[in-house]
Amino acid sequence: AQKVTQAQTEISVVEKEDVTLDCVYETRDTTYYLFWYKQPPSGELVFLIRRNSFDEQNEISGRYSWNFQKSTSSFNFTITASQVVDSAVYFCALSDAPNDYKLSFGAGTTVTVRA
Amino acid sequence: KAGVTQTPRYLIKTRGQQVTLSCSPISGHRSVSWYQQTPGQGLQFLFEYFSETQRNKGNFPGRFSGRQFSNSRSEMNVSTLELGDSALYLCASSYTSGVSYEQYFGPGTRLTVT
Repeated sequence: AQKVTQAQTEISVVEKEDVTLDCVYETRDTTYYLFWYKQPPSGELVFLIRRNSFDEQNEISGRYSWNFQKSTSSFNFTITASQVVDSAVYFCALSDAPNDYKLSFGAGTTVTVRA
Repeated sequence: KAGVTQTPRYLIKTRGQQVTLSCSPISGHRSVSWYQQTPGQGLQFLFEYFSETQRNKGNFPGRFSGRQFSNSRSEMNVSTLELGDSALYLCASSYTSGVSYEQYFGPGTRLTVT
């Protein structure tokens, strides 16, 4: 069975601080995809990244970076030098080969960046 | 390119009524998936349509149904509404079936059942 755990319910930081969001996943399959989505107050889920299980390279996109470690089944997300506009709920999601038609989401982490 | 649109954005219904929500995918996308988001259960997969066929369905009662038209627009219907159906309903479109392609989400329809 697929499972995604985001242990942090809420994180509050002051602008320009770095913030790291944890994501731990469970799957029995060797082929799977991991995702991060951002949900601002408007409600729309914004795609941030997709990573397949065979690519363990870390990735950096502007102030965002992702650390994928298969050994610990983790796919953590770091926002560097946070800004008020980063305030949102962030979801980690998983899809494995037998269930590749759907995303299984974690509970989400609410990030509040204070000016 | 226009994004995924959902109508209506907000809806208030009474228990026992039925409701129909609409989703227009990004042009050229043929797969539409629906998700329900509630504070208690989080984001849960409802069903997926591809080329007018329901390909996959989540663990929801038969009161939840949907369809897809030849232009890929999709509707979902909930009959005999219950208070617990109050939620944000999100649809996502993708070029083809399977999440190996990026899924783009719409702004959602917030349904309140009173």
